Order: sequence, then C-alpha cells, then structure tokens
Amino acid sequence: DAKTTQPNSMESNEEEPVHLPCNHSTISGTDYIHWYRQLPSQGPEYVIHGLTSNVNNRMASLAIAEDRKSSTLILHRATLRDAAVYYCILIPSNFGNEKLTFGTGTRLTIIP
Amino acid sequence: GAVVSQHPSRVICKSGTSVKIECRSLDFQATTMFWYRQFPKKSLMLMATSNEGSKATYEQGVEKDKFLINHASLTLSTLTVTSAHPEDSSFYICSARGIAKSSYNEQFFGPGTRLTVL
Repeated sequence: DAKTTQPNSMESNEEEPVHLPCNHSTISGTDYIHWYRQLPSQGPEYVIHGLTSNVNNRMASLAIAEDRKSSTLILHRATLRDAAVYYCILIPSNFGNEKLTFGTGTRLTIIP
Repeated sequence: GAVVSQHPSRVICKSGTSVKIECRSLDFQATTMFWYRQFPKKSLMLMATSNEGSKATYEQGVEKDKFLINHASLTLSTLTVTSAHPEDSSFYICSARGIAKSSYNEQFFGPGTRLTVL
C-alpha cells in the first residue's frame, strides 16, 4: 500500500472549519484518496473519496493538490459529534482483493 | 450506504472458553470480508481476509488455529476466538466489500464487538 502521513492529533473549536491534512507523496496514478473516520467505540465509517478533482458531499469536502501528493479533508462547521479519528487511505481503482490497511490517523478533538 | 452488522456488540467470557462473532452484510452481497482487531488508542490491525467458500488468508503473526474464520455465504462471516485468554481482549471489527452501484468496489465496516476475557 502507498503510504500516507497525517498529524497524530488536532484540535478545533466547535462551529469552526477544520482542515485535516494528508501527505501521500508516493501516490500512483490509479490510487483513489479515501477518508474514513472512527467515532469512539464504533467501526470506521466512510467520509469521502476522490481521484483528482475536489469533491463535496453532505459530510465534508476533499481538496486534492494539483500534483496529488497531498490532500485536505475539510469539515466546514465542526460539531462535537465530529470528534473522531480520521484516516486518509489510498485505494487503487482495481480494488479487487487488495487489503485496506489503516495508518495511525488524526485524532480530532472538538472544543466546546 | 450499505449496512454491515455484528453480533454480539460486546461479550464477556471466562478464560479458556470460545467466542463466536458474526458479521453480516445486510443489503448487499459481500465478495470479500475482512476481520480487524483494535487495541485501545491504537489503529485497526488487519487479521485476515476471507472470500466466500474459500479458506481465509491470515496476516503474519495471526494464529489461524486460534482465530477461526468461516465465510459460508455472501452475507455472513464468523470469527471464532478459541480458548480465549485475557490477552485476546480487544475490539474486533469486520468489514465487507461488495459490488456497489459505482464503478469500483466499496468497503463497509461493522460496528465492532468488544471482547473481554476474564
């Protein structure tokens, strides 16, 4: 698996935007950038994914650098329920039976 | 998104007993299922990968005779922790991958099972 690098932890105030960075300098042309998050005592849940263009959905936005070597997950208005560990993962387009492995992720703390 | 369920959500057992955890994909057929374990404050560690009707493929360092995986159908996989010991206490998470409407396979995670061995 291509490696990703994320800060171990971040803090943000409630109702403010949060920008979670991810570096993936060895990304290949067919790797999709995926973000999952894990709330306390729950399994991971899908947040968003993208290939080259920026993406928006109801949960978040994903900004992808032009060279694709980094990306940023954007939570536009953080709530206490967004406190979780966020994982940035590269998944090839030909997913097949490839294993999805997790790095250490970023533990996001939301300050009321 | 698709739903993956696990049962039980938590279990407490005595040392030496065996515990079975079920993982079901509720609204799609899972071509591949994965089992992870997670210790407190740590990331998920992949234990094994299983395809329906085939033997599971275990990650290095995972004892296949201790963690028995059965993937009998496209919607059900089970993990049995045999002769459990306190060091097996952990959060076990299953994941299912299937063919979704989009052009690539999506992977969904269950809610996890917390195992405590006394």
